[in-house]
Amino acid sequence: GESVGLHLPTLSVQEGDNSIINCAYSNSASDYFIWYKQESGKGPQFIIDIRSNMDKRQGQRVTVLLNKTVKHLSLQIAATQPGDSAVYFCAEMGSGIQGAQKLVFGQGTRLTINP
Amino acid sequence: KAGVTQTPRYLIKTRGQQVTLSCSPISGHRSVSWYQQTPGQGLQFLFEYFSETQRNKGNFPGRFSGRQFSNSRSEMNVSTLELGDSALYLCASSLWQGSNEQFFGPGTRLTVL
Repeated sequence: GESVGLHLPTLSVQEGDNSIINCAYSNSASDYFIWYKQESGKGPQFIIDIRSNMDKRQGQRVTVLLNKTVKHLSLQIAATQPGDSAVYFCAEMGSGIQGAQKLVFGQGTRLTINP
Repeated sequence: KAGVTQTPRYLIKTRGQQVTLSCSPISGHRSVSWYQQTPGQGLQFLFEYFSETQRNKGNFPGRFSGRQFSNSRSEMNVSTLELGDSALYLCASSLWQGSNEQFFGPGTRLTVL
């Protein structure tokens, strides 16, 4: 089956520190893995994605690492800011009916940035 | 460019009733997906519409249905509401079907009493 899960439900870090959010997945056939951020009262917001044939991709203050050997995905946020406080979801692009792609989300990790 | 809008933002219904939620995608986006978000089950895919056709669906009962209009606006309907249908219903739009980067609306909070 397909499932995407997170190791830790909550994470607290000091402002300015780096944070790492981890995610395990089970569907090794997925083409893409994606991170979304959801702030309170808002819908999820796309952060970054990585194709399955890559092991690292960097964005602005964020880096996603993919380890296909152990089916593990992580999101690193550098120099965290108060605005980074949110719930972070990993997701994979999996197949639905007739092979159509759909996003399968993990349960989410709540990141809190302490001043 | 305006974001994805959903109406209403909050809704209270009783068991057995039906409800219709509306979603207006970002201008130019042709794909609209719907998700149900609950504390217990997280974010679960309901269905995706592209060019007025349902292209994909998740594992939800037939009480959950949707449609898309020629202007890409979409509605979802839930009939014979159950207590367990209480959730945040999120709509997301994207340029193309099956896109990684989906733009979510703020959601409609449905409470079933």
